[in-house]
Amino acid sequence: GAGVSQSPRYKVAKRGQDVALRCDPISGHVSLFWYQQALGQGPEFLTYFQNEAQLDKSGLPSDRFFAERPEGSVSTLKIQRTQQEDSAVYLCASAPPGTGYNSPLHFGNGTRLTVT
Amino acid sequence: DAKTTQPTSMDCAEGRAANLPCNHSTISGNEYVYWYRQIHSQGPQYIIHGLKNNETNEMASLIITEDRKSSTLILPHATLRDTAVYYCIVRVGGGGSEKLVFGKGTKLTVNP
Repeated sequence: GAGVSQSPRYKVAKRGQDVALRCDPISGHVSLFWYQQALGQGPEFLTYFQNEAQLDKSGLPSDRFFAERPEGSVSTLKIQRTQQEDSAVYLCASAPPGTGYNSPLHFGNGTRLTVT
Repeated sequence: DAKTTQPTSMDCAEGRAANLPCNHSTISGNEYVYWYRQIHSQGPQYIIHGLKNNETNEMASLIITEDRKSSTLILPHATLRDTAVYYCIVRVGGGGSEKLVFGKGTKLTVNP
């Protein structure tokens, strides 16, 4: 079946612009995660949804970062007033319901954001 | 912070077994060990996970020591396509989520 889909694949923004990154999780997956990956580093956790509820946003680096999942399926990560340090790959992952820590996350291929 | 330590890099000859070690000395009793790998320009790919028993699937084997303080991922017959960064992760609870906390991983290079 289809995996996690992210769009756009690449995004170039001028400093100060707002951007919106989309994630389509695997159908039926209730858990959804956003990660940020800087060049040469491992992915870093940003935020977590269970259905439409945002249960953990401890990794969001500033109030310029905002994520939503209004109907418990598609999610959008929005970055306002982008800065150069926001340049990174943004990864989305989803996981099926019911098995908690015993359930692997499935990642998309990410959106590469470049802020100029 | 990541709860695991891995070597920065390793090399392996094509066709030989690749054994990737991981230390997780502070692991708690109900925390799983997960392995992912990441090939350039792709998202992390799930390989295998376990709690305390050894596990095997079509991709790899996971050997967890009896005290659970370390584990080894085994790729039985490495190919050039196995060249990637391999992440050993202890799945962390708390904060309302079941997130994976990545470290820096091991860069595995499979040589012809």
